[in-house]
Amino acid sequence: KQEVTQIPAALSVPEGENLVLNCSFTDSAIYNLQWFRQDPGKGLTSLLLIQSSQREQTSGRLNASLDKSSGRSTLYIAASQPGDSATYLCAVKLDSNYQLIWGAGTKLIIKP
Amino acid sequence: GAGVSQSPSNKVTEKGKDVELRCDPISGHTALYWYRQSLGQGLEFLIYFQGNSAPDKSGLPSDRFSAERTGGSVSTLTIQRTQQEDSAVYLCASSLRSVSYNEQFFGPGTRLTVL
Repeated sequence: KQEVTQIPAALSVPEGENLVLNCSFTDSAIYNLQWFRQDPGKGLTSLLLIQSSQREQTSGRLNASLDKSSGRSTLYIAASQPGDSATYLCAVKLDSNYQLIWGAGTKLIIKP
Repeated sequence: GAGVSQSPSNKVTEKGKDVELRCDPISGHTALYWYRQSLGQGLEFLIYFQGNSAPDKSGLPSDRFSAERTGGSVSTLTIQRTQQEDSAVYLCASSLRSVSYNEQFFGPGTRLTVL
């Protein structure tokens, strides 16, 4: 059974720092992996999607990497800003399956 | 353009009552998904619709939970005889199709509190 774990559960850093959020999964047979951002009362926003054949994806200050063999993904946020404060969720999609298996999230606070 | 909308945004009910949660997907999206997010937990898949049919109901936690979709658009998730453990945020998502690579777009959720 696929399980997704996110560490740390919470993180607080000063503005301007670069930071890394971690996501691990137990079964390497994934179709893709997505990182989402969740703001209170605003649902989920997709940030980056990495297909199983890819190693990384970049969007602005965000960079997500994927290492299927080790069952790990990282989300790198450069030059963090207070507006980056949110809960970050990773989810994996199993091969030929529409279901997303979710981690519990990392709550990020960027202090001004 | 309009995204996925859900109503109500908050619902407080007493144990044993029935509740209905509504989801309006993005126009033209044929696939619709319901998830549940309990406090401190990851999202839990409940049910998936392709058009009006639900090929996968495997995530529904008990027979008190049911869902329907009409006209290939609006979906309603019904919880009968609510229990305190049903308290959670219920999220709806839609996508153009159900194929693996299609991005799911999420609504803001309905926060259900069962007293």
